[in-house]
Amino acid sequence: GENVEQHPSTLSVQEGDSAVIKCTYSDSASNYFPWYKQELGKGPQLIIDIRSNVGEKKDQRIAVTLNKTAKHFSLHITETQPEDSAVYFCAASRGSSNTGKLIFGQGTTLQVKP
Amino acid sequence: DVKVTQSSRYLVKRTGEKVFLECVQDMDHENMFWYRQDPGLGLRLIYFSYDVKMKEKGDIPEGYSVSREKKERFSLILESASTNQTSMYLCASRGFRRDRGPLGSGYEQYFGPGTRLTVT
Repeated sequence: GENVEQHPSTLSVQEGDSAVIKCTYSDSASNYFPWYKQELGKGPQLIIDIRSNVGEKKDQRIAVTLNKTAKHFSLHITETQPEDSAVYFCAASRGSSNTGKLIFGQGTTLQVKP
Repeated sequence: DVKVTQSSRYLVKRTGEKVFLECVQDMDHENMFWYRQDPGLGLRLIYFSYDVKMKEKGDIPEGYSVSREKKERFSLILESASTNQTSMYLCASRGFRRDRGPLGSGYEQYFGPGTRLTVT
């Protein structure tokens, strides 16, 4: 079946450094790619998303890039802060995003050390 | 703000018990989802509902059923709980987001805080 692979599973960086999380997807029809952040004791929350007609999107310290040909997309966090510590999930739409259904990656636990 | 609430944060049940997990959203969303979250496996879709009384199996529906009698409420039922159903259960509803700064407008899934279920 369709799947999304996410790497690394854990990532530890020093405060101020950059962090990169990578995902690959298998469904050629996927056209929507959200990223979720899950803090301890909370449900995941959308932090940024990208559609297949865009190659890159940025919001302050976070950015997402998409390579449709290679079926790769990545989350980039610059100038990391301790409050960025959380579990991050990538996801891809199942077929067109009209269904609303997503396939999630396995998650990355990011630790930012002060 | 969109609010998705789940009936319990922590639940301990015995093998063979019937378990109800409830989820309520206050934004009149049509689409609602139940996921389970396990370490190293991410979020896996159990069931999806696209409207009242409408449901669709997800990737791992075995051992689960759902009920959607009212638009705001989506219930997950474990007919006979087993130890391999010990997990974190997340409910989500999907609705249209008006322009939220850099995210712009579009559809978004909003998650509840989760229910950690332990079956002993």
